[in-house]
Amino acid sequence: GQQVMQIPQYQHVQEGEDFTTYCNSSTTLSNIQWYKQRPGGHPVFLIQLVKSGEVKKQKRLTFQFGEAKKNSSLHITATQTTDVGTYFCAGQGSGTYKYIFGTGTRLKVLA
Amino acid sequence: DGGITQSPKYLFRKEGQNVTLSCEQNLNHDAMYWYRQDPGQGLRLIYYSQIVNDFQKGDIAEGYSVSREKKESFPLTVTSAQKNPTAFYLCASSPGQGSYEQYFGPGTRLTVT
Repeated sequence: GQQVMQIPQYQHVQEGEDFTTYCNSSTTLSNIQWYKQRPGGHPVFLIQLVKSGEVKKQKRLTFQFGEAKKNSSLHITATQTTDVGTYFCAGQGSGTYKYIFGTGTRLKVLA
Repeated sequence: DGGITQSPKYLFRKEGQNVTLSCEQNLNHDAMYWYRQDPGQGLRLIYYSQIVNDFQKGDIAEGYSVSREKKESFPLTVTSAQKNPTAFYLCASSPGQGSYEQYFGPGTRLTVT
């Protein structure tokens, strides 16, 4: 079945450094979503990417969807302590309504 | 996240007991989902429903049951057949009909001893 992996599992950065998490699917995706979960909280929707090669930006966050629609990345420029949390990707396969969540990348930002 | 409620926040049960987790949304969303999250892990799909009176099994449906009698409500029952029920349970909803961003409730942390 469809699997979605994320790397790295953990990342510690100094405040101001950049951060990137990568998401890889075993199958071609219809679209991919990204979520952020703060410690002790619930996932919050960040963005959805649909088109091959799509790039979207939200302030310091840049999201990319691979040309083959099997991988994606989230890049944060100049991290802040408010960026702390776990970032999940979630991929939707073709012909299905369900999303498969990646394993998540836990980000810690050291002030 | 607003508009989706899960209750209670914490739930304790003895082994062998069935327990029902509540999920209600007032967002007029068609689709609803139940996920399980274990410590340090991602989210695994238990059940999902695209419309009222219809639902499908996710990847880990064994030992769980759901109903979708009303658009606003999607309760999850954790049965005694679930071998390892202690976990954080998250309910989500999405508009459906081509729009699938998911809005999550605050979650219920279930502990079975």
